[in-house]
Amino acid sequence: GAGVSQSPRYKVAKRGQDVALRCDPISGHVSLFWYQQALGQGPEFLTYFQNEAQLDKSGLPSDRFFAERPEGSVSTLKIQRTQQEDSAVYLCASSLSGLSYNSPLHFGNGTRLTVT
Amino acid sequence: KQEVTQIPAALSVPEGENLVLNCSFTDSAIYNLQWFRQDPGKGLTSLLLIQSSQREQTSGRLNASLDKSSGRSTLYIAASQPGDSATYLCAVSSGYALNFGKGTSLLVTP
Repeated sequence: GAGVSQSPRYKVAKRGQDVALRCDPISGHVSLFWYQQALGQGPEFLTYFQNEAQLDKSGLPSDRFFAERPEGSVSTLKIQRTQQEDSAVYLCASSLSGLSYNSPLHFGNGTRLTVT
Repeated sequence: KQEVTQIPAALSVPEGENLVLNCSFTDSAIYNLQWFRQDPGKGLTSLLLIQSSQREQTSGRLNASLDKSSGRSTLYIAASQPGDSATYLCAVSSGYALNFGKGTSLLVTP
């Protein structure tokens, strides 16, 4: 398809496990974002990539969270030693422009992470 | 830190009504403001993007206005339809990140 694709769609992890969430942005999109959305809340910014460069990671809540986009296309968000408070929907978004504020964002359907 | 507030939190209207959703933000130094729609279990769909230099944008039955100096935006939906039922989110950009409100949950009843 032509949209942003995220996998898995749902992930259940036991507390302490590591998880990896994948995002396939729209082909050719320069900017890629990760957001975290708790139930009943708006999305909260985690990190931003322009091509392969991670230009802003100020929203990552702890050093257990790590994101990469090594070839400037697919991105992976990794969470180490998951905690219950990590339970949320993780949304990936991409935009065509390298100027992240200049073009609309296209969001994937998200990965719902439940930590038990 | 930019704070974005959306009022009302929830709204139920009969089909055919015109309605207004409100968004306010605390820091007027923004690059743009975007309105999104989110259906249950889905990601966000961009509806309208207003650059900071613009006053409004229109798409079909949707019209969004921006008053940057007062920190306000409104989303006007004309002739509402049951298919418009969703959560509407307002987001402002002051840098790389978008700051989102909590959304307005809209139900349009037949």
